[in-house]
Amino acid sequence: DAGVIQSPRHEVTEMGQEVTLRCKPISGHNSLFWYRQTMMRGLELLIYFNNNVPIDDSGMPEDRFSAKMPNASFSTLKIQPSEPRDSAVYFCASSSRVAGGPLLTDTQYFGPGTRLTVL
Amino acid sequence: AQTVTQSQPEMSVQEAETVTLSCTYDTSESDYYLFWYKQPPSRQMILVIRQEAYKQQNATENRFSVNFQKAAKSFSLKISDSQLGDAAMYFCAWCNFNKFYFGSGTKLNVKP
Repeated sequence: DAGVIQSPRHEVTEMGQEVTLRCKPISGHNSLFWYRQTMMRGLELLIYFNNNVPIDDSGMPEDRFSAKMPNASFSTLKIQPSEPRDSAVYFCASSSRVAGGPLLTDTQYFGPGTRLTVL
Repeated sequence: AQTVTQSQPEMSVQEAETVTLSCTYDTSESDYYLFWYKQPPSRQMILVIRQEAYKQQNATENRFSVNFQKAAKSFSLKISDSQLGDAAMYFCAWCNFNKFYFGSGTKLNVKP
C-alpha cells in the first residue's frame, strides 16, 4: 500500500519566491495534518483538515502561509513570499477517523517530508 | 501552554539490552493522550506507542512499553532487547482535542 506521498522531497528557492508543497494522503483517510520541523522549534503542528475542511490553523506561523485541501486525495501548503527562516522539513500526515476520542488522537501516518531551503 | 520535555538529548544502548527514554510534560488538563514517535534517518515519523491518560494500565507494543505516571506527569519509554533498527530519534508527544505538542527528541544509538 502506498503511504503518504509528498512532493517535492527537496526544494531550494530564493527569498521572495512562492513555494508550494504537495501531499497525497493515504487512500481512505479523512484527516490530514501539516507539520514543520526545525532545529530551533522542533516539530510543530501547523494546520489540520477533516473531510477536506480546515479544523484548526492556529499553528500557521504567518499570513504568508496558506493550506488547501480541494479534495480527499490532495493538499497543498503554500508559502508566499518565502523567507530564509521558513527553511525546515515539512511533513504531511493522514489518519482515519476512529469513533471516540479527539481527532488528533487517531494514529497518524507521516509522509517522508519535504526539505525546504530558502536562500 | 503545554510543554513536553525530553531531558536526554542522546542515549546509547548495547544491542539486546534495555534502555529507558524519559519524558515529562506540563498540563493542567485531566484528559489527554501521550505518544512516542520514532524518526529514523529516513526522516519518516512512525508511531511507536500511545497511551490514553484515563487508562491506568501502561501501554505495551511488543518490545516497547511505557511507564505512565499521571500524578508525576511522566511518560517514559522502555525498549527491551534493543535492536540495531531501533537506532533513531524518539519524540514524546502530548495532545488533547485540538493541540499537539512534541518534545525536542532523544537520539538513540544502538551499539552492536
